[in-house]
Amino acid sequence: QVQLQESGPGLVKPSQTLSLTCTVSGGSISSGSYYWSWIRQPAGKGLEWIGRIYTSGSTNYNPSLKSRVTISVDTSKNQFSLKLSSVTAADTAVYYCAREPMVRGVTYFDYWGQGTLVTVSS
Amino acid sequence: DIQMTQSPSSLSASVGDRVTITCRASQSISSYLNWYQQKPGKAPKLLIYAASSLQSGVPSRFSGSGSGTDFTLTISSLQPEDFATYYCQQSYSTPIFTFGPGTKVDIK
Repeated sequence: QVQLQESGPGLVKPSQTLSLTCTVSGGSISSGSYYWSWIRQPAGKGLEWIGRIYTSGSTNYNPSLKSRVTISVDTSKNQFSLKLSSVTAADTAVYYCAREPMVRGVTYFDYWGQGTLVTVSS
Repeated sequence: DIQMTQSPSSLSASVGDRVTITCRASQSISSYLNWYQQKPGKAPKLLIYAASSLQSGVPSRFSGSGSGTDFTLTISSLQPEDFATYYCQQSYSTPIFTFGPGTKVDIK
């Protein structure tokens, strides 16, 4: 059973960089045809896809966040990471990591981490 | 960008009711539509993928239909554990994904 677990600071100051890591257990991050995504959800609001990475290092980002986002992968640690720079209060949200299998062109998020709340405040 | 809308934004229903939630895309997305259930304080859970395929382990009272721009999620007989918020998500414009705003199902 694949499990994902987010980790990182719960409080980030405005203008600084938010950094989170997702640790994958129960399977190798490099096995199979999977993308690994970050998704966030402000309190009481809907879900926003941030970006994804393939184990080759290939990335895709939400155009609305692209200038501030970097996603990387460390296959030796079975982890992938998110960096979001120049944060403001609008970046306060629960951040989820998720797995996205590629099955004959169909894609969806089948495993999710429990989520971690990141608050941007001085 | 493909925009997703859902209706209603919330509904009240009783255990045993048949519940239908609608999701509409701003342009045709073929059958690239997924449904998720989210309970308070929890991560979303995949219910339906590719518009009508039931994810493994999901009860058969959940079903999905539609193609093009209009989709529905149906719960044939609402159970106490089904009170939650439901989101649709398009994967047509991969690698850019968008979610609907959600439909909250609560107890009547």
